[in-house]
Amino acid sequence: EAGVTQFPSHSVIEKGQTVTLRCDPISGHDNLYWYRRVMGKEIKFLLHFVKESKQDESGMPNNRFLAERTGGTYSTLKVQPAELEDSGVYFCASSQGHSPLHFGNGTRLTVT
Amino acid sequence: GDSVTQMEGPVTLSEEAFLTINCTYTATGYPSLFWYVQYPGEGLQLLLKATKADDKGSNKGFEATYRKETTSFHLEKGSVQVSDSAVYFCALRRKETSGSRLTFGEGTQLTVNP
Repeated sequence: EAGVTQFPSHSVIEKGQTVTLRCDPISGHDNLYWYRRVMGKEIKFLLHFVKESKQDESGMPNNRFLAERTGGTYSTLKVQPAELEDSGVYFCASSQGHSPLHFGNGTRLTVT
Repeated sequence: GDSVTQMEGPVTLSEEAFLTINCTYTATGYPSLFWYVQYPGEGLQLLLKATKADDKGSNKGFEATYRKETTSFHLEKGSVQVSDSAVYFCALRRKETSGSRLTFGEGTQLTVNP
């Protein structure tokens, strides 16, 4: 089975620009999660989709972040406009029911 | 709220040394506990897990025992290899709701020298 796929793997943008990250979960997984690791700190939860619905978005830092999962398949996370403190590694994960989460390789975002 | 505390890194060991990475947690109820590993250039992989008190998770020579009385889930390996060099994350997950999220610790960077 194909794993969780994220792209791009790296993105370097200037402050004020827009970036869109994409995540393709494992086929059939209803749960999709976004996490972020900033500056070598802990991996922090951003939000959780169940199919196309946002189950929990309590970890989204502010309204510059917008996540979508149209059709309940792949998801996008848009940062607009990007700030320096948004730099970090963004991870996506998927699961079915209460099975363990499967993670992608992450997108390393650098805002300069 | 839920939280996970890991021993600070980085940790540097020689090959065949004994490894312990401490992990303690705070959570309501009895969560499931996990260790994830991130090898250089790769994503997070589940290393092992335990779902109830006194359970021992094991994989690839690594072990961790769910200790309810000390709210701990320390990771151990008797003889590390260079290939074990990676970042290790302790995490918990509530069992009350299906699809609940993981709460992670800060991660511990392990470097094993030949």
